[in-house]
Amino acid sequence: AQTVTQSQPEMSVQEAETVTLSCTYDTSESDYYLFWYKQPPSRQMILVIRQEAYKQQNATENRFSVNFQKAAKSFSLKISDSQLGDAAMYFCAYRSPYKLTFGKGTLLTVNP
Amino acid sequence: EPEVTQTPSHQVTQMGQEVILRCVPISNHLYFYWYRQILGQKVEFLVSFYNNEISEKSEIFDDQFSVERPDGSNFTLKIRSTKLEDSAMYFCASSTGTFLYEQYFGPGTRLTVT
Repeated sequence: AQTVTQSQPEMSVQEAETVTLSCTYDTSESDYYLFWYKQPPSRQMILVIRQEAYKQQNATENRFSVNFQKAAKSFSLKISDSQLGDAAMYFCAYRSPYKLTFGKGTLLTVNP
Repeated sequence: EPEVTQTPSHQVTQMGQEVILRCVPISNHLYFYWYRQILGQKVEFLVSFYNNEISEKSEIFDDQFSVERPDGSNFTLKIRSTKLEDSAMYFCASSTGTFLYEQYFGPGTRLTVT
C-alpha cells in the first residue's frame, strides 16, 4: 500500500517570500502521479499542481513549483512570492488508478 | 465552469439513523469517489465507482456504507446505521479518467452524529 508523509504540521512565511512544503511517499509502482491540493478554511479541495512520475522535468504552475526526486521518493512544493490568499492547509497526494492517498497536511500561515 | 455539487451542506443525525449524502458530479465525468475527513485529520479515501460498479474501496467502507448512482446525474453515499465516529466532512469527487486526470471535489457535506 502507498503511504504519504508530510513531516511539517505547520509552516509560516512572510508575504512575498518563498516557502517549501515537504512530502515523501512510499510505493512499489514505477509509474504514478503526485498531486498537491490546497484546502482553505472553506474546506473545498483545490488542485494546485500535479507531477507525472515518468517525467523528469519538475512541474510548474505560475508561483507554484515542485521539486520531484523520484529516487528519494520526495515531492516538495515551493510557493514563490507568497500571498495572503495562499494561507491554507496543503495536502500532498499519491494517485493510484482509482483513488488518492493523502498525507496529513501542512497548515501554511502567511504573515503580512 | 462545471463543478461538483453536494447536498446537504450540513446534516445532523442521531446515532443509529440512516443518512444519505447526495452528490451531482460533473456531467461528462465517468469516475466517482467519496472521501471523508474527520475534523483536524487527513482526507481518507472511502470508495470509487465506475460503470455502475465499485472499482475500489477502503477498509473504512464496511457493510454500513453503500453507494449508488440512481439516475444519470446523482451519486449517493448511504450510511445505514450511523455511529458517533462517522461524524466528519464527506467529499464527493469525479473525474473523466484515472491516474493523470484531475479529481474535482465538491464542497463537502458536514455530517454530525449525536
